[in-house]
Amino acid sequence: QVQLVESGGGVVQPGGSLRLSCVASGFVFSNYDMHWVRQTPGKGLEWVAIIWFDGGTKYYGESVRGRFTISRDNARNTLYLQMNSLRAEDTALYYCARTLSTGPSPYDGSDIWGQGTMVTVSS
Amino acid sequence: QSVLTQPPSASGTPGQRVTISCSGSSSNFGSNTVSWYQQLPGAAPKLLIYNNYQRPSGVPDRFSGSKSGTSASLAIRGLQAEDEADYYCAAWDDRLNGWLFGGGTKLTVL
Repeated sequence: QVQLVESGGGVVQPGGSLRLSCVASGFVFSNYDMHWVRQTPGKGLEWVAIIWFDGGTKYYGESVRGRFTISRDNARNTLYLQMNSLRAEDTALYYCARTLSTGPSPYDGSDIWGQGTMVTVSS
Repeated sequence: QSVLTQPPSASGTPGQRVTISCSGSSSNFGSNTVSWYQQLPGAAPKLLIYNNYQRPSGVPDRFSGSKSGTSASLAIRGLQAEDEADYYCAAWDDRLNGWLFGGGTKLTVL
């Protein structure tokens, strides 16, 4: 069964750090680009970051650039998002998602999504 | 500014055909393909359309997509109650080097 399972969310104070994980199963993880996308409760989707299948290329959304770092461990079938200098506006449900085609294919849609992990930044 | 613009809401009655528009710019729609997602309440987004008009396996052919220049649209024919959801367009933006999502359209089945 193809699936993604996120973990690592929680409540953190402004300025704090958190690392999210996304474990993949049911497909060859190392063949696919991976994204992080977030959604503030009751609001729309916001793309956060992408990492190419081999980890060699990474891009970030403007609102997180310089604070968040996307990485992957293909041997462990795991995607990560290291979040530093967290702000209240980073409060959201964070999804990991797989691109539709084998990489590099950043332009394609994402056909597999996890269930999300909630991050709350509050004092 | 790189923005994808969708109407905030749309509605239709069962059996009707509904279209949702999405407007982009040369840096996204002008050079890249469009995807559409459906998000049911409490669920993760689901890919409905990719490469402007293609459907992943399992997506009913009631859903169709098109793109012309810097505009795209999602059409749903034979509207059903279970189609009530939020719909998002998306595309890669060459200026931002990243994905853009539209603001989302809440579809209500009357």
